[in-house]
Amino acid sequence: GQNIDQPTEMTATEGAIVQINCTYQTSGFNGLFWYQQHAGEAPTFLSYNVLDGLEEKGRFSSFLSRSKGYSYLLLKELQMKDSASYLCAVRTAGSYQLTFGKGTKLSVIP
Amino acid sequence: NAGVMQNPRHLVRRRGQEARLRCSPMKGHSHVYWYRQLPEEGLKFMVYLQKENIIDESGMPKERFSAEFPKEGPSILRIQQVVRGDSAAYFCASSPADRGGREQYFGPGTRLTVT
Repeated sequence: GQNIDQPTEMTATEGAIVQINCTYQTSGFNGLFWYQQHAGEAPTFLSYNVLDGLEEKGRFSSFLSRSKGYSYLLLKELQMKDSASYLCAVRTAGSYQLTFGKGTKLSVIP
Repeated sequence: NAGVMQNPRHLVRRRGQEARLRCSPMKGHSHVYWYRQLPEEGLKFMVYLQKENIIDESGMPKERFSAEFPKEGPSILRIQQVVRGDSAAYFCASSPADRGGREQYFGPGTRLTVT
């Protein structure tokens, strides 16, 4: 089976940096994804990691350690519009389906 | 380039009725995925289709649920004899064939309410 854990809620201040962690247990790893989802809207793709290391894309970065079953999403220079749920998802080898965590609801405060 | 389209956005059905949810993938995408999101729960995979083929339906309930992706027209997720527990947001995602399903782009979802 697969298990994906991420914190339920986080709060951070506008302009700050926040790190959202995700741990996973899966048989046959084939990629980790981060999505952003505003309330009542579609999840939007943020990042994809399949090899160990850091992927940077503007204010967002994502890190993966396959040996530890661990990833994080780093958001810099937080803006109020970054308030959303952040979904960690894993794809297993030989499958196209994504297994999602329950999401981390991030609140950015002034 | 229009994104993934889903309709209706909101659907209300009484117990026992049928619900039909439609999904038009992004232009050039031939892979479609359906996910269900229950309140306070993560997205759960239901089914993966390519044109005229069901590739993986391991997440579909065994009864009352079916999906298709015909050669022409949108993908349809059909729920027969709906029950209150079917109330959820149903999201469709699509990806291009040459990306091997790496990036799945989601539609805005259909929020089904069963009364």
